[in-house]
Amino acid sequence: NAGVTQTPKFQVLKTGQSMTLQCAQDMNHEYMSWYRQDPGMGLRLIHYSVGAGITDQGEVPNGYNVSRSTTEDFPLRLLSAAPSQTSVYFCASSYDGVWDTQYFGPGTRLTVL
Amino acid sequence: AQTVTQSQPEMSVQEAETVTLSCTYDTSESDYYLFWYKQPPSRQMILVIRQEAYKQQNATENRFSVNFQKAAKSFSLKISDSQLGDAAMYFCAYRLNYGGSQGNLIFGKGTKLSVKP
Repeated sequence: NAGVTQTPKFQVLKTGQSMTLQCAQDMNHEYMSWYRQDPGMGLRLIHYSVGAGITDQGEVPNGYNVSRSTTEDFPLRLLSAAPSQTSVYFCASSYDGVWDTQYFGPGTRLTVL
Repeated sequence: AQTVTQSQPEMSVQEAETVTLSCTYDTSESDYYLFWYKQPPSRQMILVIRQEAYKQQNATENRFSVNFQKAAKSFSLKISDSQLGDAAMYFCAYRLNYGGSQGNLIFGKGTKLSVKP
């Protein structure tokens, strides 16, 4: 059981570039979410999904896009990277997002120049 | 809107001693969960302990215990017999007992705990 995996671990982008952060889980969890963590801040929710084909916005969704074509994968797309998106990104999953505890991936550190 | 406040940006404790991290939250709801997560330098978010709001008994996990005061909206974490491996950022988090967006975690800004040998 690998749990929640994220790739890449580190990434440097130039302003305006696009990229996809990958997240996968092998626990058959229905609920998956993306957070960003900025210095001196707690984690803030970007997008979440309650199952394949269903996604919704969190607290800070602007500049990000998600899709959920399978239960296992929940990629996060940066459409046109901006320096304000420099952050550490965490993916999390849980069985149903209500009763169950969320388990986090190891994070991706993204720098936008 | 629900908020979570951790008033101690940094704390320090001597190895083998006890330390308490504070957390308060603001909500008008009665059915929710509270969590403490640990984030060591590896960045991995690790669940330390959780508390269901409907339970009066304070949760305990080995050396970690909470003092849950529902009326005061307070949820402090006590670490007993502190170890060097306890050094980390600790985040308090809140979640409603609902599905959808209301079931998402809301985090405090964290407390950085240092453990002195």
